Amino acid sequence: ILNVEQSPQSLHVQEGDSTNFTCSFPSSNFYALHWYRWETAKSPEALFVMTLNGDEKKKGRISATLNTKEGYSYLYIKGSQPEDSATYLCAFPWDTDKLIFGTGTRLQVFP
Amino acid sequence: EPEVTQTPSHQVTQMGQEVILRCVPISNHLYFYWYRQILGQKVEFLVSFYNNEISEKSEIFDDQFSVERPDGSNFTLKIRSTKLEDSAMYFCASSVTRGDTEAFFGQGTRLTVV
Repeated sequence: ILNVEQSPQSLHVQEGDSTNFTCSFPSSNFYALHWYRWETAKSPEALFVMTLNGDEKKKGRISATLNTKEGYSYLYIKGSQPEDSATYLCAFPWDTDKLIFGTGTRLQVFP
Repeated sequence: EPEVTQTPSHQVTQMGQEVILRCVPISNHLYFYWYRQILGQKVEFLVSFYNNEISEKSEIFDDQFSVERPDGSNFTLKIRSTKLEDSAMYFCASSVTRGDTEAFFGQGTRLTVV
């Protein structure tokens, strides 16, 4: 059974704290790994699509790393702000077409 | 900025009724998808559509479900006879290519079957 796992399920941090979450996925037949940010009442928005082992991508204070051999990716947020509060989803394309999603990590940043 | 739009945002329907959820994908995208999330569960794949036909469907996507792209812009999901367990948030998505580029999602239609 294809499974994509994320941890932790939820996280509460203070403004200014740095934080990170994990996504684990099957290491065989790797094609790509997606990260999405999903704010309440909005559409999920892509942060990164990662395809190469050892890849590191950055967008502002958010960055992600990828290890395809061991099947995990980390998402880091440096200096969390209240506007970073959202659910962060990772997704693994299976058969190169459909996305298999993890359960998500719900981040809440308190001022 | 181009976006995927979905209508309606909320739909309440009686069990056994037909519903049609509508989506307008981004115009130059070639791959179209429907996903859903039942409250408290993972986002799950329903169906993908390319070149005017279904390219893949999940076990959930049984004979009660169908998709259409009737006019080259709209992309619809029809549920013929809704069940209580069809209550979920339904998301439409589109992408330029398969899997190795980001999918753009609509804001979702919350379907409640009573």
